[in-house]
Amino acid sequence: GAGVSQSPRYKVAKRGQDVALRCDPISGHVSLFWYQQALGQGPEFLTYFQNEAQLDKSGLPSDRFFAERPEGSVSTLKIQRTQQEDSAVYLCASSPKRIRGESYGYTFGSGTRLTVV
Amino acid sequence: SQKIEQNSEALNIQEGKTATLTCNYTNYSPAYLQWYRQDPGRGPVFLLLIRENEKEKRKERLKVTFDTTLKQSLFHITASQPADSATYLCALTTSGTYKYIFGTGTRLKVLA
Repeated sequence: GAGVSQSPRYKVAKRGQDVALRCDPISGHVSLFWYQQALGQGPEFLTYFQNEAQLDKSGLPSDRFFAERPEGSVSTLKIQRTQQEDSAVYLCASSPKRIRGESYGYTFGSGTRLTVV
Repeated sequence: SQKIEQNSEALNIQEGKTATLTCNYTNYSPAYLQWYRQDPGRGPVFLLLIRENEKEKRKERLKVTFDTTLKQSLFHITASQPADSATYLCALTTSGTYKYIFGTGTRLKVLA
């Protein structure tokens, strides 16, 4: 696709409910990242995929957070038993295959705004 | 501890002037540093990338400098326009890792 697509755009969940957030990266982009952004803050790293392999999940705040990218394209971020502190914007970004010694800018989606009530 | 600092106060400047935003970091040895623009309700948009061995990078009205001795990057917008009003984020990554760590961003407002 032309850009990174995230759905839903907005999600309101009752505390304790499970949610699933979807990310469609740019076609052919190998790297996929999930970030969490609280109001007035910069994005905070959650997890990173290279193709279908989850290479870094050090930013996931608890074992209630789970991400997958089973076929190396679409990714889903799942949050179980949502809590109020999970309220934030969840951003997905993708970038091309990294050539040794190079780095590329990310292309971000517009995010999913999650509100837990 | 590792820290990336951007001026949390909003920067207001007059149209036509040069806006200068600062990004300071501690306890990092970044290999790459990036600048992004973020508008309300949107994801960040990539602007420029600079490598540790580069002092300066330009793109149209944008200029980024990178001083690894001062542990600082400056981001300049020349001939600023009201359409440049947004939040600007710096992000850095160290060698051998893929993830970028972001600062908190500085809100820029260009007054007509």
